[in-house]
Amino acid sequence: AQSVTQLDSHVSVSEGTPVLLRCNYSSSYSPSLFWYVQHPNKGLQLLLKYTSAATLVKGINGFEAEFKKSETSFHLTKPSAHMSDAAEYFCVVSDLVRRTGTASKLTFGTGTRLQVTL
Amino acid sequence: DAGVIQSPRHEVTEMGQEVTLRCKPISGHDYLFWYRQTMMRGLELLIYFNNNVPIDDSGMPEDRFSAKMPNASFSTLKIQPSEPRDSAVYFCASSPGRDTQYFGPGTRLTVL
Repeated sequence: AQSVTQLDSHVSVSEGTPVLLRCNYSSSYSPSLFWYVQHPNKGLQLLLKYTSAATLVKGINGFEAEFKKSETSFHLTKPSAHMSDAAEYFCVVSDLVRRTGTASKLTFGTGTRLQVTL
Repeated sequence: DAGVIQSPRHEVTEMGQEVTLRCKPISGHDYLFWYRQTMMRGLELLIYFNNNVPIDDSGMPEDRFSAKMPNASFSTLKIQPSEPRDSAVYFCASSPGRDTQYFGPGTRLTVL
């Protein structure tokens, strides 16, 4: 079974300071990992994904995440927060056990609400 | 590409009424997913289709919920009869067959 834990339900940073959103995962297999962002009253947008290539993954809007197998972590970072980054962020793990015709199932974390202040 | 399209964006109905949510996936994507998001339970997978065939509906809460995909470009999620506890945001997502899913903007359902 797979699971994902987002360690902080709410993070507040000042504009221009670094962002760190923490995520730990559990998976029986080599997982695929994702970060999605959801702005208020909007759908989920893919920020970045890890699929067993480079462990440091760069995404959109200056975000990046590092896959650390030894720590079972996939933390999301950004060097300098912008007001437009205020949103809910979801860490997601995907199982790779798949039969023909079936899809990978995504397991979502509970989300981290990022607040950016002036 | 227009992305995943969902309609309506907002729906307000009274308890007992039938509700139909619609989704148009990204062209060429073989998989279509329906999710429900609530404050209490977060994001839950309800059902998904592969090539228009339902593969896993274990997340559908009860018989009041049904989903269809009559062709590769259209899917519906129907609730009949609706209840206040069905109030949530319902998302449709599509996938080209790999891990990555692309989400629509969602339908916010309120059942009074």
